[in-house]
Amino acid sequence: GAVVSQHPSRVICKSGTSVKIECRSLDFQATTMFWYRQFPKKSLMLMATSNEGSKATYEQGVEKDKFLINHASLTLSTLTVTSAHPEDSSFYICSARRPTGNSPLHFGNGTRLTVT
Amino acid sequence: QKEVEQNSGPLSVPEGAIASLNCTYSDRVSQSFFWYRQYSGKSPELIMSIYSNGDKEDGRFTAQLNKASQYVSLLIRDSQPSDSATYLCAIASGGYQKVTFGIGTKLQVIP
Repeated sequence: GAVVSQHPSRVICKSGTSVKIECRSLDFQATTMFWYRQFPKKSLMLMATSNEGSKATYEQGVEKDKFLINHASLTLSTLTVTSAHPEDSSFYICSARRPTGNSPLHFGNGTRLTVT
Repeated sequence: QKEVEQNSGPLSVPEGAIASLNCTYSDRVSQSFFWYRQYSGKSPELIMSIYSNGDKEDGRFTAQLNKASQYVSLLIRDSQPSDSATYLCAIASGGYQKVTFGIGTKLQVIP
């Protein structure tokens, strides 16, 4: 069954509005979650690492004020795309792994964001 | 040099054949290696994980790891049209604080 749940799966918004995406670990506590973005026919690009109870770590080139990450509990991380623009349209995917040994990353189903 | 390299393909194989997907990596201290399958418009799904040199088999899938040569491969036996997807190689290193993905190899299984 699913290990990581992501919601919504698809969202269409107007330029200038904000969109919040939720990512939940279903049967384990995740102190760390990862947010990826994928453009069509491109590879996964890590945007940021979400850390429970502390600030997220952003990858180079990712605007932290535009992509707000909150990891308020051990099972929930949220990504808010603020003042969205058409160029933010992409496939956003969160992931997490069980905190045991070399557990692999498990991905949510992704959120297809379209900004009009 | 990219950290994780894969041929983007497409790799076309006839149904029933063996598909061989390859991946090389540059970080010698990499510890964990994964293969994910991603269908178009969907998120990646874990297929195999491998941590030590040699082969690991799971059904029709076999992962092969050679740390000395810094490559990891995935063999798919008796390929089916439903195996048509992009296969992502992922490497974890640095105490597992970072997972790096290759660009993915698109596999097409021809009926």
